[in-house]
Amino acid sequence: LAKTTQPISMDSYEGQEVNITCSHNNIATNDYITWYQQFPSQGPRFIIQGYKTKVTNEVASLFIPADRKSSTLSLPRVSLSDTAVYYCLVGSNYGGATNKLIFGTGTLLAVQP
Amino acid sequence: DAGVTQSPTHLIKTRGQHVTLRCSPISGHKSVSWYQQVLGQGPQFIFQYYEKEERGRGNFPDRFSARQFPNYSSELNVNALLLGDSALYLCASSPSVLGTSGSWNTGELFFGEGSRLTVL
Repeated sequence: LAKTTQPISMDSYEGQEVNITCSHNNIATNDYITWYQQFPSQGPRFIIQGYKTKVTNEVASLFIPADRKSSTLSLPRVSLSDTAVYYCLVGSNYGGATNKLIFGTGTLLAVQP
Repeated sequence: DAGVTQSPTHLIKTRGQHVTLRCSPISGHKSVSWYQQVLGQGPQFIFQYYEKEERGRGNFPDRFSARQFPNYSSELNVNALLLGDSALYLCASSPSVLGTSGSWNTGELFFGEGSRLTVL
């Protein structure tokens, strides 16, 4: 299973665009990349998922280069309420019997006014 | 629509005791996964169940067990509690198996608010 590496923390100000990069050098052909957001004492919440190139939804964009060894979560115009831990996950279960998804330590994003 | 519900929300146990945590998935979701989250760390996968069968197991001792019922709700049981079992236990449901042998399912995980277990 691919291991991910993310910055431990990032700081930003309201209204700025934030980019969080995740490294996953051992990503497998069938792995997808998924990002979750977690607030204190709450369960993680799905943000976005992608396989290659670019994916955009109403809250974020996900950029994945051709080699797929990294990915970047982009949060446009962050607000104070975006202060949270962001997790990057890679995983799949092609041909396997286990379905575990590995969360890393995540990136603590602190948005200041 | 109700999300994933977990009970109890908080509980305190002493070393050596047993605990049962319960989870009700979103209606229509047949897959339930359990995660342990120790303070300051990311969630660690414990189990996944689909259609009442175990489909995945993380690196946890045999003191941890789980099961899924015909209504797709699930229980996580932990025996002989240790201080290190103190954590937030998260349940997640998804509309399909997180990967079936021979195929990949990109189903999103929907997490509950968790059960905060403190072992004294």
